[in-house]
Amino acid sequence: QQQVKQSPQSLIVQKGGISIINCAYENTAFDYFPWYQQFPGKGPALLIAIRPDVSEKKEGRFTISFNKSAKQFSLHIMDSQPGDSATYFCAASYSGAGSYQLTFGKGTKLSVIP
Amino acid sequence: KAGVTQTPRYLIKTRGQQVTLSCSPISGHRSVSWYQQTPGQGLQFLFEYFSETQRNKGNFPGRFSGRQFSNSRSEMNVSTLELGDSALYLCASSTTGIDTQYFGPGTRLTVL
Repeated sequence: QQQVKQSPQSLIVQKGGISIINCAYENTAFDYFPWYQQFPGKGPALLIAIRPDVSEKKEGRFTISFNKSAKQFSLHIMDSQPGDSATYFCAASYSGAGSYQLTFGKGTKLSVIP
Repeated sequence: KAGVTQTPRYLIKTRGQQVTLSCSPISGHRSVSWYQQTPGQGLQFLFEYFSETQRNKGNFPGRFSGRQFSNSRSEMNVSTLELGDSALYLCASSTTGIDTQYFGPGTRLTVL
């Protein structure tokens, strides 16, 4: 069964600190790894995505680190702000089926306290 | 561009009934995917349509079905509703299916 395991379930970080969320996958055919951010009452919104030929990708305060041999990837949020408080989902998919069928982690509820 | 829109936003049904949810993708997007989100199971892929054809299907019973129209709008139908079908149903659209998926706000279905 294709799975993506995400940890931790919840995370409390001080304003200005670094938030780190980790994910591990099993299916080596996965070739697309996005992170989504979801606020209450809203649908998930794409934050940043990476493909396995790259070990790190940075966009503003958000960085994905990817370890292909360990089948792990993580999201780092630098200088965390209260506005970053949301639920974060990692996901994985492969393009071989003709379209992305995102397999999601169970989510991490991030709370950034002032 | 307008985002993905889903109607209705909230729905209450009773067991045994059927329900139809609607999704209008971003203009120019031809791929529409549906996901179910529950506290216990998280986000799970239901199916994906491209140019009116179902290309992929997740591991859900046949009570869950969908279709896509020539204007790329999509509907999903759940027949013989069960209590466990209570969930947030999310629609996502993309240009080709192998690119960024943009999610709508979802339809919150409650089955009593």
